[in-house]
Amino acid sequence: EPEVTQTPSHQVTQMGQEVILRCVPISNHLYFYWYRQILGQKVEFLVSFYNNEISEKSEIFDDQFSVERPDGSNFTLKIRSTKLEDSAMYFCASSESILGYEQYFGPGTRLTVT
Amino acid sequence: AQTVTQSQPEMSVQEAETVTLSCTYDTSESDYYLFWYKQPPSRQMILVIRQEAYKQQNATENRFSVNFQKAAKSFSLKISDSQLGDAAMYFCAYRSMLTFGGGTRLMVKP
Repeated sequence: EPEVTQTPSHQVTQMGQEVILRCVPISNHLYFYWYRQILGQKVEFLVSFYNNEISEKSEIFDDQFSVERPDGSNFTLKIRSTKLEDSAMYFCASSESILGYEQYFGPGTRLTVT
Repeated sequence: AQTVTQSQPEMSVQEAETVTLSCTYDTSESDYYLFWYKQPPSRQMILVIRQEAYKQQNATENRFSVNFQKAAKSFSLKISDSQLGDAAMYFCAYRSMLTFGGGTRLMVKP
């Protein structure tokens, strides 16, 4: 069964450093998403991406964040200058369509900012 | 903006018994989708069940079923014949960008 994969599983970085989280969505999916879950809190939507551009983003997704689909398979989330409060699990998801279709989640990347 | 509320931060059920997890939401839209996701200790989010708001019939998936009350904006999840493997965080979610509730931790007692 196809699945969303994410690398790395755990990333430790120092405050102020740039990090890139990588995701490989399911191959025939057209919509891609990033979510964040701070430890002990709810999962929060960050951004959705379709047709090589951002289709929707939340208030959390400020200028420090960017997304890219650099090739036909990868979907990346970049945090330019990490802050302590960026420490969280970051989940990538993909879906065939935007409304009502199941979003398939990756296993997540745990980002620890020290 | 849509909000999703799960009023039970933690629930416990005896193995083989039935448990109901509550979820309410607020929206001004008439057409939308509702989801229950399961997050086991591995942290990966897994879709449990989905409900289209325009369908009056409650969705069912094996031991999982929902009680969807559109007028009351309520979307509860019933787990029948609870199994140890059902122990997880359960999140109720709304529509496509998935506005999540705060989650309910389900513990299953052997």
